[in-house]
Formats: sequence, structure tokens, C-alpha cells
Amino acid sequence: QVHLAQSGAEMKKPGASVRVSCKASGYTFTDYYIHWVRQAPGQGLEWMGWINPNSGDTNYAQNFQAWVTMTRDTFITTVYMDMRLGPGDTGVYYCARQALADSSFDHWGQGSLVTVSS
Amino acid sequence: SSELTQDPAVSVALGQTVTITCRGDSLRSYSATWYQQKPGEAPLFVIYGENNRPSGIPDRFSASRSGNTASLTITGAQAEDEADYYCSSRATRIFQPWLFGGGTKLTVL
Repeated sequence: QVHLAQSGAEMKKPGASVRVSCKASGYTFTDYYIHWVRQAPGQGLEWMGWINPNSGDTNYAQNFQAWVTMTRDTFITTVYMDMRLGPGDTGVYYCARQALADSSFDHWGQGSLVTVSS
Repeated sequence: SSELTQDPAVSVALGQTVTITCRGDSLRSYSATWYQQKPGEAPLFVIYGENNRPSGIPDRFSASRSGNTASLTITGAQAEDEADYYCSSRATRIFQPWLFGGGTKLTVL
């Protein structure tokens, strides 16, 4: 079955960088786009961007474009989200698989809590 | 700020019908996907396309779209339906091609 397994919680200082990983299993890794979504504490969902695991092409939301890089390693079916952190970047970061047929996210990782504190 | 607008909170009596709405210009061109999120859990998609339920989602969940408004209806709400619900759609803006609504907290009384 499809599974997206994310890396564990991180605590970082403002100005530091964090890497969150998302290991995919149970399907053909290169067939499906992976998206990243952030949820600040007590807040809603915020779309960050996507990566095409086949080509490595990416598309970032304007709010994240200067701070985020998404990459993938096809050999270990893992997608990475690297981010330079500011004070307001505390939240849970989710990876999600985009369905083939439409724009929905049909499987989600469990989420990775990133805490930014000085 | 979100370009899909949802009411922050809605309540429904157990067994009754409730509709959660989502408004935005992108909905004139794209269908909405609806996600359910319970505390401490990842979102779960409950409706995709115009009105399609993924496997395992009860048929009390349905959706519709008209003009700039998408709606999620729960017919005969159950206690386990208490959750946050988010709408999402594609958008035409190059630098923000996916949108989420701000979420609606559903309370089942």
C-alpha cells in the first residue's frame, strides 16, 4: 500500500536550515508529483510547492520561493524539502502525493514538526 | 491571505445534515477537493473531482459546485465527523497554483 514516511521532529534557531525527508513506498515513485504543505500551530494548510520526482522539476509558492528547495533521490524513492528558517516558520510540514487523475492529494505523510526558537 | 474563503466554524446536531461552503474565483474554473483533519492527524481527502468519494469514505459525504462556490454536505452527521474541513483547488496564478481555504471547524452536538 502507498506510504509516505517523513523524518522526525526538528528544533532549529532562526537563520538555520532544516531538511525534511519524505520516503515513498508502495507505488512507482516517478509517476506521481509530491507536494509540500505547511501548517502553523492552530492554523490552516498552506501550499508550499511541488516536485516532479521523474524530472526533478519544481514549482514553489511565491511566499516560499526564496527559502525552499525541493529535491529527490530516485534510488531511495525519497523527496527532500530544505528550508532556511525564519522566526515564523514553526509548524508541521507535510508531504503529499498528487493523484494522477486530478489535483487532489490522495496520500499524506504523517507530518514533521519543525520548531524555530532562539 | 487565503483566496478560498470558508466559514471558521459550523455546528450540527447528531444525525442532522450540514453544509460547509468554500468561495473563490478559482472555483469557477476548477473543482474543489475536500480534506478532513482531526487533531494531531494528517489531512484525509474525503471528496475529489466534482463529487467523488475515495474508497472508505462513507456515502454521507457529498459535494457540489456552482459558480464560485463549492459545498461539502454531510447527510446524517456522526460524532466521528467532528473535525476541521479544508477545501482546495487549483488556481490560475503562476506563483500560487494550489490554494487551500482557511478551514471550517465542524462541531457535532
